[in-house]
Amino acid sequence: SQQGEEDPQALSIQEGENATMNCSYKTSINNLQWYRQNSGRGLVHLILIRSNEREKHSGRLRVTLDTSKKSSSLLITASRAADTASYFCATANNTGTASKLTFGTGTRLQVTL
Amino acid sequence: NAGVMQNPRHLVRRRGQEARLRCSPMKGHSHVYWYRQLPEEGLKFMVYLQKENIIDESGMPKERFSAEFPKEGPSILRIQQVVRGDSAAYFCASSPPGSPGTIQYFGAGTRLSVL
Repeated sequence: SQQGEEDPQALSIQEGENATMNCSYKTSINNLQWYRQNSGRGLVHLILIRSNEREKHSGRLRVTLDTSKKSSSLLITASRAADTASYFCATANNTGTASKLTFGTGTRLQVTL
Repeated sequence: NAGVMQNPRHLVRRRGQEARLRCSPMKGHSHVYWYRQLPEEGLKFMVYLQKENIIDESGMPKERFSAEFPKEGPSILRIQQVVRGDSAAYFCASSPPGSPGTIQYFGAGTRLSVL
């Protein structure tokens, strides 16, 4: 089964608006992370929320986690053109020493002037 | 204070050749992860290594793919007898000792094109 599915797949907004992306997952997790990927580049870590946390803030980012619904959301407030990128959620299910991240398919965000 | 370094950034191979992708983790990091990304898709886990040990290779194809992280030098992802389906971006990530599975720091990736 697919772990970490984001929606929408693509989102286009104007500068200054808020952008909300959602992520659903299927298995139990230790934490959930959001990463950003600019076109043709590597991933940059944005924020990590642990399974016992419900909400976390970092600058213009707000992440929520609902473990009962196995879902998370990423809110970017007052978006800027520089926020244009793909955003991925990733879940970590540490069992023993296994520490892989399972990524979703991503939301492509386009912020226009 | 260099981040995760991957080389080469772009690699072109003909079918049947070998591809060797290198990854130097961040200074002080002893956990290395390799992921593969196909166009318009998310990253798929391949393998997790610590120095001289493969910890989890559940995402590695059974044939032609191998990975190592020697005591000295970078981690190497090796693909033998490449096929067109191996064309993808391959990303390496690292994390510090004592905290596997938390934040992973990614390199810029190697884009492999198989002709």
